[in-house]
Amino acid sequence: KAGVTQTPRYLIKTRGQQVTLSCSPISGHRSVSWYQQTPGQGLQFLFEYFSETQRNKGNFPGRFSGRQFSNSRSEMNVSTLELGDSALYLCASSLGVGSNQPQHFGDGTRLSIL
Amino acid sequence: AQSVTQLGSHVSVSEGALVLLRCNYSSSVPPYLFWYVQYPNQGLQLLLKYTSAATLVKGINGFEAEFKKSETSFHLTKPSAHMSDAAEYFCAVGSNTGKLIFGQGTTLQVKP
Repeated sequence: KAGVTQTPRYLIKTRGQQVTLSCSPISGHRSVSWYQQTPGQGLQFLFEYFSETQRNKGNFPGRFSGRQFSNSRSEMNVSTLELGDSALYLCASSLGVGSNQPQHFGDGTRLSIL
Repeated sequence: AQSVTQLGSHVSVSEGALVLLRCNYSSSVPPYLFWYVQYPNQGLQLLLKYTSAATLVKGINGFEAEFKKSETSFHLTKPSAHMSDAAEYFCAVGSNTGKLIFGQGTTLQVKP
């Protein structure tokens, strides 16, 4: 069974630009979550989608947004990029929602802002 | 609110020695707890999970963790470290909204 696939793996952007990251979950998984990982802040939750609906949102500015498609694939968009947005963005999928559901992670997209 | 504290940002052991990575949690409801491992330039891989079925949980790669409610702990152990175990390890608690709350991570160094 294929794992969670994130594209692209690496991305370089400049301040003010916008970026879209993509995540394909494990087949059959309907929940997709996004996390930001930085050396200073660690792993922080961005948002979670289930059946094309955002269920939870972390404490990030409105520049960060996402969506989920009917095939459970998800995209995350960051507009007006800032230097502090440089991070590893991880996508995770799970069969359903609930705190007992293990989440399976992709290898992430490393975003660098110049 | 739920939280996780990992004691020790860096742990160094010799190859063949016991690995002990500490995790304490705070939760107002029965917690669901997880350990993940991250190798360089990769995502997080699930090592094991505690979902109240048994207090001693066995995971992959010879790791296990014991849930101790009285100590609010979920420490990760491995009897004999291998060079390939060098990585960063994260303890996490499943929140009541479904998202994972992670500790700050512990980097495990294995010396030959």
